Amino acid sequence: QVQLVQSGAEVKKPGASVKVSCKASGYTFTSYYMHWVRQAPGQGLEWMGIINPSGGSTSYAQKFQGRVTMTRDTSTSTVYMELSSLRSEDTAVYYCARGVGAKAVVRFDPWGQGTLVTVSS
Amino acid sequence: QSVLTQPPSVSGAPGQRVTISCTGSSSNIGAGYDVHWYQQLPGTAPKLLIYGNSNRPSGVPDRFSGSKSGTSASLAITGLQAEDEADYYCQSYDSSLSAHVVFGGGTKLTVL
Repeated sequence: QVQLVQSGAEVKKPGASVKVSCKASGYTFTSYYMHWVRQAPGQGLEWMGIINPSGGSTSYAQKFQGRVTMTRDTSTSTVYMELSSLRSEDTAVYYCARGVGAKAVVRFDPWGQGTLVTVSS
Repeated sequence: QSVLTQPPSVSGAPGQRVTISCTGSSSNIGAGYDVHWYQQLPGTAPKLLIYGNSNRPSGVPDRFSGSKSGTSASLAITGLQAEDEADYYCQSYDSSLSAHVVFGGGTKLTVL
């Protein structure tokens, strides 16, 4: 079955960087774009960006431009999301989610289990 | 502020019917873009519940249904069950934003 398994929880100090991984299985890795979505404690969902696992091209939400980098390793069917210059407001659960459908009709199915990133001094 | 507006909470007794609205604008739902719905049970990742406005993925009970009209969409849940207590999010595409993927703020469903 299609599955996305993310790396474990992280605790980082303000100003540091964090890199979260998402390993895909059960489908052809390069056939579906991967998205990253985050959820601050008690808050809603916020889209961060997208990576094309085939060619590696990316597109980021303006809010995260300059601080986020999404990469992939096709040999291990894994995508990565690195967020730098962390601040307390970045404390959130970070999800990877497979995008299904063309750009304007994309839906997310499935989602990874989530990775809690805590930013605290 | 979320681009798509949902009520913060709804509630209903077991067996009842509830609806959750998702209101957008002419650059997203009103432009004809699909609306999708997700269910997030406590402490878990979101799960796709309805896609393409009104389609249910395999395994989703037919108690869940979706509709869209104009700049709004709705999720209806009939025969409410205790296990339906969760957060529900709508999602669509917005042509006017750099972050083209947009979500509603989420609705907490409480089963009384």
